[in-house]
Amino acid sequence: DTEVTQTPKHLVMGMTNKKSLKCEQHMGHRAMYWYKQKAKKPPELMFVYSYEKLSINESVPSRFSPECPNSSLLNLHLHALQPEDSALYLCASSQGQGSSYNEQFFGPGTRLTVL
Amino acid sequence: AQTVTQSQPEMSVQEAETVTLSCTYDTSESNYYLFWYKQPPSRQMILVIRQEAYKQQNATENRFSVNFQKAAKSFSLKISDSQLGDTAMYFCAFMKQYGGATNKLIFGTGTLLAVQP
Repeated sequence: DTEVTQTPKHLVMGMTNKKSLKCEQHMGHRAMYWYKQKAKKPPELMFVYSYEKLSINESVPSRFSPECPNSSLLNLHLHALQPEDSALYLCASSQGQGSSYNEQFFGPGTRLTVL
Repeated sequence: AQTVTQSQPEMSVQEAETVTLSCTYDTSESNYYLFWYKQPPSRQMILVIRQEAYKQQNATENRFSVNFQKAAKSFSLKISDSQLGDTAMYFCAFMKQYGGATNKLIFGTGTLLAVQP
């Protein structure tokens, strides 16, 4: 299974809502990533988890809270978002440490709209 | 720090024709990887082709091939026999070798390719 899955595909939320994005992979990868992508722009790295530990936080506002319950799952908890947070949120995974070639496999993304 | 530059924001090609997308990069690293990713309107980011910097031979994948010029720090993508399904945003990306999980993908700004019937 060489697939990264993300749910939901689309999410509309108000600024006072709390919601979560989910990502799952069954490739035995030990690194997982969250990216934010605006239209016609490259993905921007938000967080990296390596062996279920947060290893990179690219100065993301605290209204975004990542969680890695186990090596196959990655969540992104959302609270008190702003309209400018509307974007495509991509999850990716890779083999992680010990690999010379760390190809990232991307999920299909969640299209988030904040009203 | 590494940078990746794609100087063509948009391109158009007729179906069955050949098109070349440009990418240049800057790095002081000796060992690294270069990638072309495709992102169609369906949004899925798909790896098209990769090149190891230590390999002199240019990578090819079916209708996709690259022209890797290490000294010039250039990495262009050639798409032969263009098909309507090739319509997508194409991102050039750089990654150091042996960086582990914290090894970041450095993306260019992208080239939006439209294949015309």
